[in-house]
Amino acid sequence: QVQLVESGGDLVKPGGSLRLSCAASGFTFSDFYMSWIRQTPGKGLEWVSYISSSGSTIYYADSVKGRFTISRDNAKNSLYLQMSSLRAEDTAVYYCARGYKFAFAWGQGTLVTVSS
Amino acid sequence: QSVLTQPPSVFGAPGQSVTISCTGSSSNIGAGYDVHWYQQFPGTAPKLLIHGNSNRPSGVPDRFSGSKSGTSASLAITGLQAEDEADYYCQSYDMSLYGAVFGGGTKVTVL
Repeated sequence: QVQLVESGGDLVKPGGSLRLSCAASGFTFSDFYMSWIRQTPGKGLEWVSYISSSGSTIYYADSVKGRFTISRDNAKNSLYLQMSSLRAEDTAVYYCARGYKFAFAWGQGTLVTVSS
Repeated sequence: QSVLTQPPSVFGAPGQSVTISCTGSSSNIGAGYDVHWYQQFPGTAPKLLIHGNSNRPSGVPDRFSGSKSGTSASLAITGLQAEDEADYYCQSYDMSLYGAVFGGGTKVTVL
């Protein structure tokens, strides 16, 4: 079965950086678009970014454009999100998900807290 | 405020039916983009419930059904069970925002 396991969430100061990882298994990773989606109690769910199977097509929400970078390593069945210039409003649970039109499967999430 | 509007809460007794609305606009649902639904229990990740307006992934009971008309969509739960108590979110694509958008979520409470 599809399994997605995120890691890398942490407490970081405003302006800091963090790299999230997502390990995928149970499907042919290189065949699928992958996404990062975040959830906060106040703003709800937000589709942050997605990347095509080859990495040639990438989308970012306006709220993270220029600060976040999505990437993937198909040889390692892994998805990444490099986050920089972090702000308090980036505090959220970040989910790795398979798909880009809709999220077919989700990981368990990793908590990112941006606070001084 | 979310681009897609859902009622904050819906209540129903066991065995009854409830419907959750998801109202959009001419730049998302009304433009013909598909609507998808997710179910989320406290402390867990959302789970895909309906995709492409009315399609259930394998394993989702047929008590759950989705529909779309005009600028709105609906999720219906028939034969409500205690285990259906959860938050439900709709999702679509918005062409003016160039990205996926979510509803604010609806909490279903089984009385």
